[in-house]
Amino acid sequence: EVQLVQSGAEVKKPGESLKISCKGSGYSFTSFWIGWVRQMPGKGLEWMGMIYPGDSDTRYSPSFRGQVTISADKSITTAFLQWSSLKASDTAMYYCVRQVELATITYNYFDYWGQGTLVTVSS
Amino acid sequence: DIVMTQSPDSLAVSLGERATINCKSSQSVLYSSNNKNYLAWYQQKPGQPPKLLIYWASTRESGVPDRFSGSGSGTDFTLTISSLQAEDVAVYYCQHYYTTPPTFGQGTKVEIQ
Repeated sequence: EVQLVQSGAEVKKPGESLKISCKGSGYSFTSFWIGWVRQMPGKGLEWMGMIYPGDSDTRYSPSFRGQVTISADKSITTAFLQWSSLKASDTAMYYCVRQVELATITYNYFDYWGQGTLVTVSS
Repeated sequence: DIVMTQSPDSLAVSLGERATINCKSSQSVLYSSNNKNYLAWYQQKPGQPPKLLIYWASTRESGVPDRFSGSGSGTDFTLTISSLQAEDVAVYYCQHYYTTPPTFGQGTKVEIQ
């Protein structure tokens, strides 16, 4: 069974750093792109970027480039999303997602979602 | 970026009745080389992550009830729930995957009337 299990909720202060995780299991972790999607409180969904754990090739949405860092450690089948200096506006639910692969081609829609990690940034 | 606009923002439908959600993209998401529309639909129930319902605009994901159907092409798409059940109360999102970044509509909340 494919599973993406995310780390627990975080409460941080503005200016602090944070790294959240997403552990994949039940499939070949290095063969599928993993993405991150933000959902601000009461709002819609925004794709932030993605990583190919096989070679750590990483792509970012222009809206999030420079604001976050996406990484992965294939030895522990885990992807990460990190901030170096959090802002109150980073308060949101963050989902990791598996991007679909059909006949060796990857498409940017998402067949598996993690349960979400709620990040709260408040002084 | 391609802008996805859904309508209505919310709708209330009686149990057993049809629910229809529209999604419009700011440019065509029909890829001419394979004649496929790069459009997906998701369902998000309260407190849960979204769930993939439909891709290629009209292909149901495995396990999705056949009361859910998708249609449309180019820039205009529709998600139809043919006979609304209580468990269908959720927010529904369309999403294109024609270019990077993929973008979502703002969501349509479906409630029971």
